[in-house]
Amino acid sequence: RKEVEQDPGPFNVPEGATVAFNCTYSNSASQSFFWYRQDCRKEPKLLMSVYSSGNEDGRFTAQLNRASQYISLLIRDSKLSDSATYLCVVNPSNTGKLIFGQGTTLQVKP
Amino acid sequence: NAGVMQNPRHLVRRRGQEARLRCSPMKGHSHVYWYRQLPEEGLKFMVYLQKENIIDESGMPKERFSAEFPKEGPSILRIQQVVRGDSAAYFCASSREPSGGGETQYFGPGTRLLVL
Repeated sequence: RKEVEQDPGPFNVPEGATVAFNCTYSNSASQSFFWYRQDCRKEPKLLMSVYSSGNEDGRFTAQLNRASQYISLLIRDSKLSDSATYLCVVNPSNTGKLIFGQGTTLQVKP
Repeated sequence: NAGVMQNPRHLVRRRGQEARLRCSPMKGHSHVYWYRQLPEEGLKFMVYLQKENIIDESGMPKERFSAEFPKEGPSILRIQQVVRGDSAAYFCASSREPSGGGETQYFGPGTRLLVL
């Protein structure tokens, strides 16, 4: 079983749609969780950290369910510029080692 | 306010040659991480270094790969006797504090290595 699993997609949605991505992780002792965004295999850029209480940043909402070892990202009112690969990232042991999921590809169409 | 810098951005090597990839962390950052992204795959952790120390090299292949982060100058990822399977994007990241406490890692633009 992969340490971090994501549905690779692609998710093809129209502008304005709401889309949700899910991610599961295998190490129950994991401490830190993130969503990164990667455009055309350029460098990953931090989208948001994910906190136990859930957190929101504009159109983006992240949720963490420690009991189910499940992380989600919700994007509301999708824009064309949201088209990218979204990477679920876990820090499993409070070291510097980040574990990346394979990524979920989103295509927002006009 | 320069971010993480990597050079070269593209590197072509023939099988058996050596590849040297350089990473300069963000100003004020003393923690450097290297990741590799093979075609059609996710990023995989290779090594975590602090100035003059290797903290975690659990993701480094046992042979041909080495990394250093000297007191002065950039971090270097060195691949000896490259093979076609080494063709990948190599990303460097840096952080101000150790990343274990949720500290953000900031990524450089990557070096695309192509082995002919």
